[in-house]
Amino acid sequence: EPEVTQTPSHQVTQMGQEVILRCVPISNHLYFYWYRQILGQKVEFLVSFYNNEISEKSEIFDDQFSVERPDGSNFTLKIRSTKLEDSAMYFCASGVRGGRNEQFFGPGTRLTVL
Amino acid sequence: DQQVKQNSPSLSVQEGRISILNCDYTNSMFDYFLWYKKYPAEGPTFLISISSIKDKNEDGRFTVFLNKSAKHLSLHIVPSQPGDSAVYFCAASARLTNTGNQFYFGTGTSLTVIP
Repeated sequence: EPEVTQTPSHQVTQMGQEVILRCVPISNHLYFYWYRQILGQKVEFLVSFYNNEISEKSEIFDDQFSVERPDGSNFTLKIRSTKLEDSAMYFCASGVRGGRNEQFFGPGTRLTVL
Repeated sequence: DQQVKQNSPSLSVQEGRISILNCDYTNSMFDYFLWYKKYPAEGPTFLISISSIKDKNEDGRFTVFLNKSAKHLSLHIVPSQPGDSAVYFCAASARLTNTGNQFYFGTGTSLTVIP
């Protein structure tokens, strides 16, 4: 069964450093998403991406964040200058269609900012 | 801004009995609701969904009920099995709005099914 994969599973970085989190969505999916979950809190939407552009973003997704689909298979989330409060589990998701259908989640990348 | 609420952080149920997980929402524009199951160290896994034009959707042991007037939905698992032990997240989206692609998640309910 096809699944969303994410690398790395755990990323440790120093405050102020740039990180890139990688995701390979399910191959025939057209909609891509990033969510995050701070420890003990709810899963929060960051951004959705369709047709090579951002379709929606939350207030969390500020200028420090960017997304890219560089090669037709990978979907990346970049944080330019990490802050302590960026420490969270980051989930990538993909879907065949937009929000009317289920989104399939990857296993997540745990980001720890020291 | 907690638009989707799961007020029970945990629930324990005997194997074979019914598990009922509850979820409340505040945004009347939500028209699509989902339940996800999450095991430790894994991403959320889609379980079942319901559109606002329905009040019930059933898939095997899982049934979701939607009460639009009360802005309440529930997930029933019958019979409960030990493998159902996981964190269950309720999620909602407002498909006809400009935020139609994002899901709003509740904080989750940790279900333990006791053998």
